Amino acid sequence: RKEVEQDPGPFNVPEGATVAFNCTYSNSASQSFFWYRQDCRKEPKLLMSVYSSGNEDGRFTAQLNRASQYISLLIRDSKLSDSATYLCVLHTGNQFYFGTGTSLTVIP
Amino acid sequence: NAGVTQTPKFQVLKTGQSMTLQCAQDMNHNSMYWYRQDPGMGLRLIYYSASEGTTDKGEVPNGYNVSRLNKREFSLRLESAAPSQTSVYFCASSEKAGAGANVLTFGAGSRLTVL
Repeated sequence: RKEVEQDPGPFNVPEGATVAFNCTYSNSASQSFFWYRQDCRKEPKLLMSVYSSGNEDGRFTAQLNRASQYISLLIRDSKLSDSATYLCVLHTGNQFYFGTGTSLTVIP
Repeated sequence: NAGVTQTPKFQVLKTGQSMTLQCAQDMNHNSMYWYRQDPGMGLRLIYYSASEGTTDKGEVPNGYNVSRLNKREFSLRLESAAPSQTSVYFCASSEKAGAGANVLTFGAGSRLTVL
């Protein structure tokens, strides 16, 4: 069983739309959670950490539900520049585990 | 801000050839990692080094060796390349392994093709 399961999409949404991604994880002892963004043929870069109380950074909101073992990312008012692959990441022990990524394309 | 630097960016090998991917970080991070990324598979950990002087296997270590040369540098060696090792390789570092919210910082990646 994979540590992290993520819907690969693709999600194709119009500019201005709201889109949400979810990830589920299997290890209840997972300690830290993150969303990374990866542009085509580039390295992943940290988008935001995910805290138990939920956290927001501009148009982006991340939430963690430890009871149901999932994390989510909400993007409001999508921009063309949001087109990328979004990776959920969890940190357990000495290792980081990655979802396969969800592809988002924002259409004009 | 150099961050994590990987070399080479591109490499083509023939089956059976050997090569070393180099990685260096200038953030004084304790932990370093090597991942490979394949379509539909996500990022998979090959080896990691929690601190200088230690290395451990990750999910897919077969066919690879690593050396943590010093705190800054962590190299990945393919002794006898195989077509199954065609992939994009990412080096990453974090301040420390273990508990606490550690952020991974990645290098730009090395695209390896084995013919």
